[in-house]
Amino acid sequence: AQRVTQPEKLLSVFKGAPVELKCNYSYSGSPELFWYVQYSRQRLQLLLRHISRESIKGFTADLNKGETSFHLKKPFAQEEDSAMYYCALGGPGAYSGAGSYQLTFGKGTKLSVIP
Amino acid sequence: GAVVSQHPSRVICKSGTSVKIECRSLDFQATTMFWYRQFPKQSLMLMATSNEGSKATYEQGVEKDKFLINHASLTLSTLTVTSAHPEDSSFYICSAPTGWGNTIYFGEGSWLTVV
Repeated sequence: AQRVTQPEKLLSVFKGAPVELKCNYSYSGSPELFWYVQYSRQRLQLLLRHISRESIKGFTADLNKGETSFHLKKPFAQEEDSAMYYCALGGPGAYSGAGSYQLTFGKGTKLSVIP
Repeated sequence: GAVVSQHPSRVICKSGTSVKIECRSLDFQATTMFWYRQFPKQSLMLMATSNEGSKATYEQGVEKDKFLINHASLTLSTLTVTSAHPEDSSFYICSAPTGWGNTIYFGEGSWLTVV
């Protein structure tokens, strides 16, 4: 069964400090992993996906299959980074379109950046 | 970019009545849409997959007769909560993939309060 674990409900860091939001997953096949962000009073939006190996708003995430992790990192936190962050796991074809695009979400981590 | 819109954003209904929530893809066609439910401080839970032109696929434990889904066109899916109970009060979110290999976009969500 697919499962996504985000162990921290709340993470508070000072502005300028490094940020790491943890995400571990359980999946028997080849995972497709995503990070979604939800700013206050806004809809959920895609932050980044592992297959793109991109950096968005200074955030990066590396898929570690050995540790079944997909932690989200940013070297220097900004106040505007304060939001809810959800790690999500897609089944086969979730990214390529061959599958059903179903996502399993973690419970989310609320990041609070202290000025 | 692609936009998914939900309506209404907030609705209050009396116990025993039915309430309909719409999910529209505004600038793309979506043969598939997903309906999620999010209880306070919990993660998004997939309820069902809405398929244009065919029956919705419900996740285990979700009552299909209570949560009626109709994918009327390539841009509209509706979720009707029938005979609503207070425990149905939740945040309902829809999402839609834009197509082959593309991003999944989320609606802004609909708060349902059953009194």
